[in-house]
Amino acid sequence: ETGVTQTPRHLVMGMTNKKSLKCEQHLGHNAMYWYKQSAKKPLELMFVYSLEERVENNSVPSRFSPECPNSSHLFLHLHTLQPEDSALYLCASSQVMPGASSYNEQFFGPGTRLTVL
Amino acid sequence: DAKTTQPPSMDCAEGRAANLPCNHSTISGNEYVYWYRQIHSQGPQYIIHGLKNNETNEMASLIITEDRKSSTLILPHATLRDTAVYYCIVRVANNDMRFGAGTRLTVKP
Repeated sequence: ETGVTQTPRHLVMGMTNKKSLKCEQHLGHNAMYWYKQSAKKPLELMFVYSLEERVENNSVPSRFSPECPNSSHLFLHLHTLQPEDSALYLCASSQVMPGASSYNEQFFGPGTRLTVL
Repeated sequence: DAKTTQPPSMDCAEGRAANLPCNHSTISGNEYVYWYRQIHSQGPQYIIHGLKNNETNEMASLIITEDRKSSTLILPHATLRDTAVYYCIVRVANNDMRFGAGTRLTVKP
C-alpha cells in the first residue's frame, strides 16, 4: 500500500460513454499527477496539479478532462474515447517543496486498466 | 531534464547482486538521479535517489560516478520478487518525472 488509491481498478467502456477515474491520496501531499501507460511504451505524463492548480498539460486531447477539487482527490473525466486510449492510467502524488535542494519522490497508485471498445 | 540511457534487459541469479547501469552524460549540477521500479501491471515504486554522494537504504544502493555522468543501482541480494522494469530518471527537484523505457530485470532461480 502506497497511500494512493485508485478506482475503479478495471474499466471497459464504449466510445460514446462518459466515465470518470478517481484517485485519492492519504499522504498529505500537495501535488498530484495523471500518467498514461500504453502497452510496451514508457509512462507518459498527462497532467500535473500542484496546490490544486493545474500546472502542466502535456498536449493531452480534450476528451480527457482532469479535475482536482482538493489536494487529496484527483479525477480524470473521460468522454468519446478512442480504442487507442486503452491503457493503464496511473495516479501519483508528491510533496512539492521550494528550492532545488529539496526532493520529492512520487508515490503511485495501482492504476486503472482502461479498455475502450 | 537530462536524458538517460539504460540497457533494455538484464538477467540476474537469485541471491546474487544485481547491478543496473544508467548513463546520464548530459546531467547538470542541480539534477538528481532517481530510481523507480515497476512490477508487472502495478504502479511504479520509488527505490532511491541521490545528487552526488553514494546512497544506501533498505532496498538498494546507488553509486554515482565522480563526474556524475553515470550511476549504478545495486540490489545486494536479488530475489524473484525483484523482477521488474527499473527506471533511471534525472531531474531537478520538483520537476515532473519523465520515464524512459527502463531496464527489464529478470531474476532467475
